[in-house]
Amino acid sequence: DAGITQSPRHKVTETGTPVTLRCHQTENHRYMYWYRQDPGHGLRLIHYSYGVKDTDKGEVSDGYSVSRSKTEDFLLTLESATSSQTSVYFCAISPVVSGNTIYFGEGSWLTVV
Amino acid sequence: SQKIEQNSEALNIQEGKTATLTCNYTNYSPAYLQWYRQDPGRGPVFLLLIRENEKEKRKERLKVTFDTTLKQSLFHITASQPADSATYLCALVSGGGADGLTFGKGTHLIIQP
Repeated sequence: DAGITQSPRHKVTETGTPVTLRCHQTENHRYMYWYRQDPGHGLRLIHYSYGVKDTDKGEVSDGYSVSRSKTEDFLLTLESATSSQTSVYFCAISPVVSGNTIYFGEGSWLTVV
Repeated sequence: SQKIEQNSEALNIQEGKTATLTCNYTNYSPAYLQWYRQDPGRGPVFLLLIRENEKEKRKERLKVTFDTTLKQSLFHITASQPADSATYLCALVSGGGADGLTFGKGTHLIIQP
């Protein structure tokens, strides 16, 4: 398995509270991604990073922010969680861009009540 | 708009037969197409990558074809086994962007003993 650790793996939080999900990699890969997966929508890209302090928005970035202060860590923050952000969140990494294999973490299950 | 379509209905195949899954896309000119396997409660795992100039790729019991004229990829599992039961996702990379892969919603494959 690729060296990707997501934390927490499961979280229940209340509407309006901030939440941070952490992705830690031991592969020293340059690219890191946050996806969410929902029934009927599949995997959708939230944000991605192409280096330390270099991030960009994906398809469904509204309500989310990210930070990458070290190569190995990519944080996803929900500033004020809403019920529509109840989902499974996957972190992924890849060594190079454009067509290379992406390796996924095991997922973080977030429930916003 | 860009679309990736996979059969949303579960595919039931008898053990030992060949399972064939379809991925159709519109308004893309993908440089690469990838197939992933996802088991319940787990992150997707990379299986095969095929480039736009390749017609077919094989790996053990797996075969992928890529027809850029039909805008379609077929994913075959020969001599299927119950352990092959999972959801299979196709994913496209178009251009040289760093924004990861765009995924189809996946097809749930059930191999019946």
